[in-house]
Formats: sequence, structure tokens, C-alpha cells
Amino acid sequence: GDSVTQMEGPVTLSEEAFLTINCTYTATGYPSLFWYVQYPGEGLQLLLKATKADDKGSNKGFEATYRKETTSFHLEKGSVQVSDSAVYFCALIRTNTGNQFYFGTGTSLTVIP
Amino acid sequence: KAGVTQTPRYLIKTRGQQVTLSCSPISGHRSVSWYQQTPGQGLQFLFEYFSETQRNKGNFPGRFSGRQFSNSRSEMNVSTLELGDSALYLCASSLDGVGTEAFFGQGTRLTVV
Repeated sequence: GDSVTQMEGPVTLSEEAFLTINCTYTATGYPSLFWYVQYPGEGLQLLLKATKADDKGSNKGFEATYRKETTSFHLEKGSVQVSDSAVYFCALIRTNTGNQFYFGTGTSLTVIP
Repeated sequence: KAGVTQTPRYLIKTRGQQVTLSCSPISGHRSVSWYQQTPGQGLQFLFEYFSETQRNKGNFPGRFSGRQFSNSRSEMNVSTLELGDSALYLCASSLDGVGTEAFFGQGTRLTVV
């Protein structure tokens, strides 16, 4: 079945460090891929998305490229800030069976000054 | 534009009781999905409603049920509560169709004692 495998956390980085959170997926067909972020006590917020192979999603300095050949959608940011501390979820949705998301387990990121 | 509204934010119930959670989607959105989030199992899909019809269902027991009204508002009901039902329940709203991004509410934190 469909699934998402995400890099285990927690991850602790110093401010201005480079961030990579790995995400790979298994899915039939051609899913759309997403990164969501969750701040303490909050719901999930959409960070970025990509709907087809080789698409690059980007937002707030974060980027991820849909790689069909490696079934990956790794999240990157060149210089993290303290305010980026949160839990990040990789997710996929199939484009033909309704709006059912498959989420990874989440990666907790803490950025220290 | 108002976001997704979930009520109540917090609930404490006793084992064996039942509970109803409410979700008001973004205006114009016709798809509402429900997810259960726990530290052990992560984010798990419960069900999706689209135009008052259940379109997808996850692997949860029949104690978990839902419905959607003509104004797209949705309710989720859990009967005969168990301790393991303690979780954050998240509602997600999507515009239309399939495979589109979802916007999440802040969730309802249910504690079963």
C-alpha cells in the first residue's frame, strides 16, 4: 500500500545551519507530495507541495523536489532560524481516490541560537 | 477568509461515554477529512466526506463514525470510549476534486480517563 518513510528525529541545529530532512515514498500511480509543519499545540500547516515529477515546491526558504526515479521528496533549507523549530511531516496523496493523505512519522526540529 | 474551525478544543471524557466533535471547513470547501494523531501511531486517516457522502474510510472500528451536513460542516462521533482513543483529532478541509492540498484545523484534544 501507499506509505511515506521519513527521517527519524529529533534534529537539533544551530541557527543558520543547513537543513535536510529525508523523505521517501511508496505509491501506485503518480501521487502529489507535500510537506506540512506543526507548531506546538497547533494543527498542520501546508509548507510546500509538488504535483508531478521534477516539480520543485518552495516556500519561506524551504525547498523540495519531486524525484520519481528515487521516489523521494527531501526537504531542504539553506539557513534555519529559531522560528523554524517545529515538527515536519512529509505526506502523499493519490490523485484519483479522494483526499486521503498518507503521512510520515514526523521529524522534530529544534534550532538553537 | 476564515480557516478551519474545530470545536471544542479540549475534551475530557470517561471510558464508556461517547463524544461528538465538530468541524467547520473553509467556506466553499466540500471535502472534509478526519485524522487521529497520537505519539505512538502518528497521523492516521479516519474518513473523508465529500458532498455529504463518505468517500474514503480508514481502518478504524465502527465506534468511529462521521457525517457531513449540506453546509459542508462535519461531525465525528466516537462511541464507547476507550483509553486508547485519547488523541488529537484533526479535521482537514479541501476545496474540491481529488488529490488537492488540505487545510487543517487546530484540532480537538480528547482525553479519556
